[in-house]
This record gives sequence, structure tokens and C-alpha cells, in this order.
Amino acid sequence: EAEVAQSPRYKITEKSQAVAFWCDPISGHATLYWYRQILGQGPELLVQFQDESVVDDSQLPKDRFSAERLKGVDSTLKIQPAELGDSAMYLCASSPASGSSAGELFFGEGSRLTVL
Amino acid sequence: AQSVTQLGSHVSVSEGALVLLRCNYSSSVPPYLFWYVQYPNQGLQLLLKYTSAATLVKGINGFEAEFKKSETSFHLTKPSAHMSDAAEYFCAVTTPWGSARQLTFGSGTQLTVLP
Repeated sequence: EAEVAQSPRYKITEKSQAVAFWCDPISGHATLYWYRQILGQGPELLVQFQDESVVDDSQLPKDRFSAERLKGVDSTLKIQPAELGDSAMYLCASSPASGSSAGELFFGEGSRLTVL
Repeated sequence: AQSVTQLGSHVSVSEGALVLLRCNYSSSVPPYLFWYVQYPNQGLQLLLKYTSAATLVKGINGFEAEFKKSETSFHLTKPSAHMSDAAEYFCAVTTPWGSARQLTFGSGTQLTVLP
């Protein structure tokens, strides 16, 4: 069964350092999402891509966060510099544009970030 | 704008007892609704979804949910809890049209199953 791949699963970094997360969506899924989940809360959307274009990044803290999906396939989320409050699980999801699962989000295992 | 409210951040049930996790939604248009489950340090797995067909939706692992428009609710139930059901459950809402579909999640309900 196809899955959304994310790496690394766990990342520990010191504040002010740079950190990057990678996501490979399910093949053929045009829409890709990055969500942030703070411990004890529900996921919150950071950025949404349709192919290589950003559809919504209104909740992305652009002073320190950046996201790209250059070829419309895999994606990278970067934080520079990391702050203590960035400690969270970063979830990637993808969604097909058509078919019975159109609009349904398929999530990866997530990347847990701890900022010391 | 759309939102979901999950009543009860923690629910405990005995093994074999009924599971009831509550979700109320707010949406200016007829919504699509979802329940996801999350095990520790893992991603979210879809349990079931309502997409304007049958109001009673059956999902995986014996869970089901009923869409009640008059109550703006989409509560999740399971007749008999199993130890393996212990996890966090999230209700989510989206609009049914448009390619830029986004899920808005509730704050989650942690389910504990007691032996």
C-alpha cells in the first residue's frame, strides 16, 4: 500500500539552528500539505501545495519557515532559526485530485522536532 | 469559516463498554466530516468519513458515526471497546468542493481503555 514518506522521524536541535524536513507524497497525489501539531492539540495547517504552486501559506511564519515543492513531487519544510516554541510534530499529507478518495488526506508518520 | 469542537479531551471506558466520542461542527455550507485516529508518535489514520451520502457511516475497526444536521454533530461510537482502541481521536471538517480542500481539526480526545 502506498504511503506518505517523511524524514527524519525525530530531530533534536538547539535553538537558533536550522532544521529541515522532507516529505514524499503518494505517487500521483497533486495536493500536498504540511501541518504542525503541538503536543496535546490538533494539527494546524502550515502550507498547502497544488503541484508545485503554493495554494495557501497564510499560517506559515514566513520570517523563519519556508517550504518548497520544486518539481511538484516531494517537498521540504525548513525552519531557520529554530525557536523553543517550534517543538512539535510536523505532519505531511497528500491528497488525490480525483477518484473515490478525492479530497481525502493521507498522512505520513510525522517528524517530531525537539528544540533545546 | 468552519470549525469543530470535540467535547471531552479525555475519555475513559472499560474494555467491552460503549465508546462515545463527541464532535460538533460549525460550517456555513454543508460539510464533509472525518474522524482520524493517532497512536503515539505516529501520523493520522482515517477511521471514517461523511461525504453527504448515507448519514450513518461505518469505518474501520468497528467504529461508526452518524451525521445529524439538526444537531450539527458527528459523534463517533463503537459498541465494545478493545484495549487496542486506546489512542487519540480527531474530528475534522472541510468543504465539499474546490480543489483547495483543507481539513480543520478539533483539539482531539484521548481515549483510555481500562481492563
